[in-house]
Amino acid sequence: LAKTTQPISMDSYEGQEVNITCSHNNIATNDYITWYQQFPSQGPRFIIQGYKTKVTNEVASLFIPADRKSSTLSLPRVSLSDTAVYYCLVGDTGTASKLTFGTGTRLQVTL
Amino acid sequence: GAGVSQSPRYKVAKRGQDVALRCDPISGHVSLFWYQQALGQGPEFLTYFQNEAQLDKSGLPSDRFFAERPEGSVSTLKIQRTQQEDSAVYLCASSAREGNTEAFFGQGTRLTVV
Repeated sequence: LAKTTQPISMDSYEGQEVNITCSHNNIATNDYITWYQQFPSQGPRFIIQGYKTKVTNEVASLFIPADRKSSTLSLPRVSLSDTAVYYCLVGDTGTASKLTFGTGTRLQVTL
Repeated sequence: GAGVSQSPRYKVAKRGQDVALRCDPISGHVSLFWYQQALGQGPEFLTYFQNEAQLDKSGLPSDRFFAERPEGSVSTLKIQRTQQEDSAVYLCASSAREGNTEAFFGQGTRLTVV
């Protein structure tokens, strides 16, 4: 599975847009990019998944350049409740494959 | 139920005891995963089931760890002769299809070995 690299931590003020970039230089042709969010004392929660270009849902947007060697999770107008750890995962979703989490990015949102 | 349910939420075991952790996945979900999460770290893969078949157990740290899903629904993770390094949160996840498209996680079981 492709290894991912993302910042250890980020800080933001409430109401700002937050962009978390993940590097995955060795991404394979069949790999998708998936982001999870984890609050303290809870299991990770699926946020968004994409293969290329841009994906948007009610929570976030995911931007993937043409070479797919990186991706950016964009959280619009964050609130205090968005304080969490965000994980970028890369893997083949077409077969029985395991999710491989890194250490994630700890986002701290303050007033 | 509406989500993945794990029990117990908290477990304290004396070193050397055996423990059993239960996972009730979302009804009808084919795939089931177990993860171990140490404090401040990301979840680490332990094992994967597709229905009742255990297709991948490469992450189980030792032969003291055993998982089963006999009828393709509820799963149990058993740890024999627990050791202090087994202290962690054990997370269960399920997904509707093969693989890991969108996995739904339970709240986990926090195991403390004393």
